[in-house]
Amino acid sequence: NAGVTQTPKFQVLKTGQSMTLQCAQDMNHNSMYWYRQDPGMGLRLIYYSASEGTTDKGEVPNGYNVSRLNKREFSLRLESAAPSQTSVYFCASSDQHTLTYNEQFFGPGTRLTVL
Amino acid sequence: GDSVTQMEGPVTLSEEAFLTINCTYTATGYPSLFWYVQYPGEGLQLLLKATKADDKGSNKGFEATYRKETTSFHLEKGSVQVSDSAVYFCALRDNYGQNFVFGPGTRLSVLP
Repeated sequence: NAGVTQTPKFQVLKTGQSMTLQCAQDMNHNSMYWYRQDPGMGLRLIYYSASEGTTDKGEVPNGYNVSRLNKREFSLRLESAAPSQTSVYFCASSDQHTLTYNEQFFGPGTRLTVL
Repeated sequence: GDSVTQMEGPVTLSEEAFLTINCTYTATGYPSLFWYVQYPGEGLQLLLKATKADDKGSNKGFEATYRKETTSFHLEKGSVQVSDSAVYFCALRDNYGQNFVFGPGTRLSVLP
């Protein structure tokens, strides 16, 4: 099991460029999440998907869109990147229905710099 | 809404010192509680968890007890090592929904 994988690991964009961050999990989890991590801010939820076919906004959704492509994959798109979106982005997944094993599993992160 | 408060860092200790990182929460119902650890340049890893009151989670010498009466889940380790240097996050999951709520993280540095 690879767990949660993210691509790319690093990315540098210019202001106004677009890109998509990819995330995939092989644990058959229903729920997937996108967070950003900024120094001193902890983790902030951008979007989440409770199940295939559904997505919902989190705490900081502005400037982002998401797609739950299938049960395994959940992508995050920046349509027009801004310097304020420089951050480390983490994807996570969890199984909603198994109360015993209900923690989130995290990917290794994507470090994005917007110039 | 639900929230998690944990002690601000950084915390600097000498090797073999005793560690406590305080965590308190506010939530409706009976949340599950977690401690995650993040080593430099990596994602978050689950360190331990507790799913009901009075449960004790433990892993790698770390322990935390779910105290409903004080709404706390303090992380402890009797003797820290240099390899424990990392950022530690307290978190909860609302068992009524999808919400995971993370604390701001506490950076621990252990000096040899």
